[in-house]
Amino acid sequence: DTGVSQDPRHKITKRGQNVTFRCDPISEHNRLYWYRQTLGQGPEFLTYFQNEAQLEKSRLLSDRFSAERPKGSFSTLEIQRTEQGDSAMYLCASSHPGDGYTFGSGTRLTVV
Amino acid sequence: AQKVTQAQTEISVVEKEDVTLDCVYETRDTTYYLFWYKQPPSGELVFLIRRNSFDEQNEISGRYSWNFQKSTSSFNFTITASQVVDSAVYFCALSVLSNDYKLSFGAGTTVTVRA
Repeated sequence: DTGVSQDPRHKITKRGQNVTFRCDPISEHNRLYWYRQTLGQGPEFLTYFQNEAQLEKSRLLSDRFSAERPKGSFSTLEIQRTEQGDSAMYLCASSHPGDGYTFGSGTRLTVV
Repeated sequence: AQKVTQAQTEISVVEKEDVTLDCVYETRDTTYYLFWYKQPPSGELVFLIRRNSFDEQNEISGRYSWNFQKSTSSFNFTITASQVVDSAVYFCALSVLSNDYKLSFGAGTTVTVRA
């Protein structure tokens, strides 16, 4: 297992377009997390899954954001009608509850 | 609610100097974990250490050492004999049982090591 993979690494999109990011966690980990990190800040929690069940969504996650984890494997994070304020690094992590988290390299989104 | 404070925004040192990064946390939980992560310019968060709330032993790993003091709610990190490759943003994070162990991060400290 090569760790947590995220695709794409970079995404530039025009305002108003939809984007989708993918995360492939470590296969033995049943939990998957999405975080968002803006410049000069620490990562902020967005949402997380245990297997295929989405357990919580942060209030940071507006209705334009949706995340899925079909079959409890990979996860996707979609942003509809992107805005400039969505520009950030989107980080995915996986873990067992209470264990250390393994983060992916992130997807850097730029909305122009 | 839980909170992590990293009061130092930026630290600049000359190679071979020691550097200590401060981390103060707040939680009412008695069961929690503390973490340090390194984020180099490439962007990936690299795990450095995890400590649980019941283990106050200090830890040393090579040039890295950590000082956990529950009495002051601090979990400080020291890099001894810093090197240019240590230049990165360092994050302290907290996960607590009552929050289902989701990570809460501090704002990070940018460390620049000059040759």
